[in-house]
Amino acid sequence: AQSVTQPDIHITVSEGASLELRCNYSYGATPYLFWYVQSPGQGLQLLLKYFSGDTLVQGIKGFEAEFKRSQSSFNLRKPSVHWSDAAEYFCAVGARAGGTSYGKLTFGQGTILTVHP
Amino acid sequence: GAGVSQTPSNKVTEKGKYVELRCDPISGHTALYWYRQSLGQGPEFLIYFQGTGAADDSGLPNDRFFAVRPEGSVSTLKIQRTERGDSAVYLCASSLTAGGSSGELFFGEGSRLTVL
Repeated sequence: AQSVTQPDIHITVSEGASLELRCNYSYGATPYLFWYVQSPGQGLQLLLKYFSGDTLVQGIKGFEAEFKRSQSSFNLRKPSVHWSDAAEYFCAVGARAGGTSYGKLTFGQGTILTVHP
Repeated sequence: GAGVSQTPSNKVTEKGKYVELRCDPISGHTALYWYRQSLGQGPEFLIYFQGTGAADDSGLPNDRFFAVRPEGSVSTLKIQRTERGDSAVYLCASSLTAGGSSGELFFGEGSRLTVL
């Protein structure tokens, strides 16, 4: 069965600092990988996804993530954090069925990001 | 509306009662998903509909949980004989298609269920 581990429950950074949120996954084949953000009172929003091809993927709001097969990781990065980035971030792995993906995702426990001014 | 709509946003009920949670997906989205998010956890998959049929209900925890999507649009998640452990935020998501890289999920804000 697939699983996702986000080792950091809570991270605090200063505004303008760089950010890296860790994600490790367990899956028997090449996975579909996602990062979602959840702000209070809002639904989960997709930041970026990896399906195939270039292992460095760019997302919205200046985020990027790198798929490293050898480390089973898909860490999320941002070079300069803004106060509005404070939220909870979820890494997820998606199932492949017959070469396609559908939305049966396995999520990590989430990482809460606090941004200090 | 433009997004996935879920009602009610909050539901408080007593142990043993029956509850229905409604999801109105984005117009034209054929795939619909229900997830459950317990406090301090990531969302957990419950069930997936492609059109009117449940294509995968492997995440439903037991037979007290049931979901329908009779016309391929609005879906209702039904919980019988609620237990305190059912307290969670129930999330609905929809996607334009079920497969391929276009299958991005769009989530609603969730229905928070509290069982006293």
